[in-house]
Amino acid sequence: AQSVSQHNHHVILSEAASLELGCNYSYGGTVNLFWYVQYPGQHLQLLLKYFSGDPLVKGIKGFEAEFIKSKFSFNLRKPSVQWSDTAEYFCAVNAKAAGNKLTFGGGTRVLVKP
Amino acid sequence: EPEVTQTPSHQVTQMGQEVILRCVPISNHLYFYWYRQILGQKVEFLVSFYNNEISEKSEIFDDQFSVERPDGSNFTLKIRSTKLEDSAMYFCASSEAGRLVAETQYFGPGTRLLVL
Repeated sequence: AQSVSQHNHHVILSEAASLELGCNYSYGGTVNLFWYVQYPGQHLQLLLKYFSGDPLVKGIKGFEAEFIKSKFSFNLRKPSVQWSDTAEYFCAVNAKAAGNKLTFGGGTRVLVKP
Repeated sequence: EPEVTQTPSHQVTQMGQEVILRCVPISNHLYFYWYRQILGQKVEFLVSFYNNEISEKSEIFDDQFSVERPDGSNFTLKIRSTKLEDSAMYFCASSEAGRLVAETQYFGPGTRLLVL
């Protein structure tokens, strides 16, 4: 069965610092990869996605992620965070051979100090 | 921008009672999903629904659960006899397409269910 792990449960950093959140998945076949964000009191919103093509994908709000197939990873990055990036970030994987369900990582709570 | 909506936002119920959670997917979407997140745990897939039938379900989705699209806009999750362990945040999602095409699922704000 597929699984997704996010290495950090909590991250605290200051504004303008760089952010990288790790995501690894276990599945050998074709995958679609997603990062969702949940701001306080709001619903899950799509940050970015990878289906095929260029493994470096750019999303909203200055976020990007890199798919490294050999490492089964899809890490999220932002060069300079803002206070408004305080949120919980979820990595999710859809293994196409396993239907269209999403398998989520445990989430990473990011707190950006002003 | 179209959004998935869910009602109620919070529901408190007694163990053994039936609850119905409601969702209005994005209007041109064809695939609908329910997920749940027990406090402190991962978001878990429950069920997907297409063309008025369940297309996939998880082990969690046992006979206590059912889904329905009673009309052209609503998509419901019913829990027949709630248990304490059903307490969770329930998310509805929808996507324009599904199995044959890589697609993005759009999530609603969730319903927080508390079973006492």
